[in-house]
Amino acid sequence: GAVVSQHPSRVICKSGTSVKIECRSLDFQATTMFWYRQFPKQSLMLMATSNEGSKATYEQGVEKDKFLINHASLTLSTLTVTSAHPEDSSFYICSAARGDYEQYFGPGTRLTVT
Amino acid sequence: TQLLEQSPQFLSIQEGENLTVYCNSSSVFSSLQWYRQEPGEGPVLLVTVVTGGEVKKLKRLTFQFGDARKDSSLHITAAQPGDTGLYLCAGGEGKLTFGTGTRLTIIP
Repeated sequence: GAVVSQHPSRVICKSGTSVKIECRSLDFQATTMFWYRQFPKQSLMLMATSNEGSKATYEQGVEKDKFLINHASLTLSTLTVTSAHPEDSSFYICSAARGDYEQYFGPGTRLTVT
Repeated sequence: TQLLEQSPQFLSIQEGENLTVYCNSSSVFSSLQWYRQEPGEGPVLLVTVVTGGEVKKLKRLTFQFGDARKDSSLHITAAQPGDTGLYLCAGGEGKLTFGTGTRLTIIP
């Protein structure tokens, strides 16, 4: 399978600060990447679709000004959580699309906002 | 909105037993994928099925795509503790819709 990395794996930040999470496709070029959020014991919830060279497409209910996505190259997408609050604490996972159907996921980033 | 319901939601069985997990929808999907996720990690792709009626085997795991492409099943034979995890089905092209998940625990 393909390899997708995320950095950092864990981050703790203070309320009101911003946090950037990187997602890298290591062995293939990904025109499209996706960002998900996962709450404990629940399935994945799609937040946004990140397209290389264009603006991200956000799912309904996801604030685009709070969750900034940049897809600057075919191997890197970043998610910045701006002015983070405790309710933003969650497990954030990215994926990179290869072909029409398959997505390969990163290992996730555990964000804790204090 | 396409929804994928998985059943059972939780399953705890003894090592060596067989089990089946179901993934159902009222919508037709062009493809379905199955993933396994362990705590604190991202989902790992197990298989993709694209043809109605298709059956794929991966060692002790057997995946089937329904004839109408609205449902899928995952059957595990002689379950082992290493099979423990969250199993997720997902469907669609490009943007995936994820199932509700089945949390499987295999007791040694």
